[in-house]
Amino acid sequence: GQQVMQIPQYQHVQEGEDFTTYCNSSTTLSNIQWYKQRPGGHPVFLIQLVKSGEVKKQKRLTFQFGEAKKNSSLHITATQTTDVGTYFCASYSGAGSYQLTFGKGTKLSVIP
Amino acid sequence: DADVTQTPRNRITKTGKRIMLECSQTKGHDRMYWYRQDPGLGLRLIYYSFDVKDINKGEISDGYSVSRQAQAKFSLSLESAIPNQTALYFCATSMSSHSPLHFGNGTRLTVT
Repeated sequence: GQQVMQIPQYQHVQEGEDFTTYCNSSTTLSNIQWYKQRPGGHPVFLIQLVKSGEVKKQKRLTFQFGEAKKNSSLHITATQTTDVGTYFCASYSGAGSYQLTFGKGTKLSVIP
Repeated sequence: DADVTQTPRNRITKTGKRIMLECSQTKGHDRMYWYRQDPGLGLRLIYYSFDVKDINKGEISDGYSVSRQAQAKFSLSLESAIPNQTALYFCATSMSSHSPLHFGNGTRLTVT
């Protein structure tokens, strides 16, 4: 089935440093969604990207969807301790797919 | 989301026992999902349902069954629990095709 590969699996940063997680697929994605899961919590939807080359921003978070719609990234500028958690990308493999497949996630630790 | 409620929050059971995890929602969404989360493996889809009479297998349905008793309720059963079913289980809902998922707080299941 559809797989989205997410890297890195873990990232430790000093507070104030930037952070990026990448999501890659061998096939074209119809869209890509990003979720954040705080420690002990449940995944919470952040954003959805649909268009080729799309870029969206939420305060210090920048989301990109590749031109070929096979990759995506989430970049956090000047991390804060509130950014701690696991970030997941997720995608449907095509217009006819009803299964949302998640990447394995990137666990972000921020050192104060 | 408080609108998606899972019970119980924690459950310890023994190998061979039958157990049921409950999920109810007040969001009015037709689509409901059961995911399983294991460390380092992300979220994997077990079953999903688009209405009361609709049940679909996900990526890892073996050993599980579901029941959609009403639009608001979707229960997951383990007919004969085994230790490798120890995991964190999430119920989720969505409004329509390719729309974001709204997760419950999860049920932590331990099979000894």
